Amino acid sequence: GESVGLHLPTLSVQEGDNSIINCAYSNSASDYFIWYKQESGKGPQFIIDIRSNMDKRQGQRVTVLLNKTVKHLSLQIAATQPGDSAVYFCAETPAGGKLIFGQGTELSVKP
Amino acid sequence: DGGITQSPKYLFRKEGQNVTLSCEQNLNHDAMYWYRQDPGQGLRLIYYSQIVNDFQKGDIAEGYSVSREKKESFPLTVTSAQKNPTAFYLCASSIDRQSGYTFGSGTRLTVV
Repeated sequence: GESVGLHLPTLSVQEGDNSIINCAYSNSASDYFIWYKQESGKGPQFIIDIRSNMDKRQGQRVTVLLNKTVKHLSLQIAATQPGDSAVYFCAETPAGGKLIFGQGTELSVKP
Repeated sequence: DGGITQSPKYLFRKEGQNVTLSCEQNLNHDAMYWYRQDPGQGLRLIYYSQIVNDFQKGDIAEGYSVSREKKESFPLTVTSAQKNPTAFYLCASSIDRQSGYTFGSGTRLTVV
């Protein structure tokens, strides 16, 4: 079946540095993508989304980039803070379908 | 404030018992979902419902049952047929399938 996968299961960054979390998706028909943040023992929280008619979208300290040619999604976090430590999931929606979640990347921010 | 509420936060089940996890939302969302999350793993879809009185099996429905009698509520029953029920259970809702999901805070179920 279709799947969403992440290149790196863990990422460790220094406080203040920028973080980049990557995600590969396999369904070329997917037209909506979301990044979620999940802190330990809590439910995932929406961070940012992007539709397939865009290749970049910016939020507060976060940017999502979509490269449809290579089916790649990335989340950039500027000036990473200790509160950014969490597991980050990407998710895709094939047209008319349900969200498909990736395995997740654990981001660890060192003070 | 609008949101999605799961209860209880922690639940213990004895072998052979059925237990029901509650999920309530006041977001006026039509679609609701149940996911299972094991340690260090992603989310696996158990059941979903797009409208009241209708629901469909997800990828790992065996040993689980749901009902959707009200728009606001989507309870999940973990039956004795589920052989490995210990996990973190997440409920979510969305306006429709093409929108982002809002998640509850989860229920951690442990078999004792």
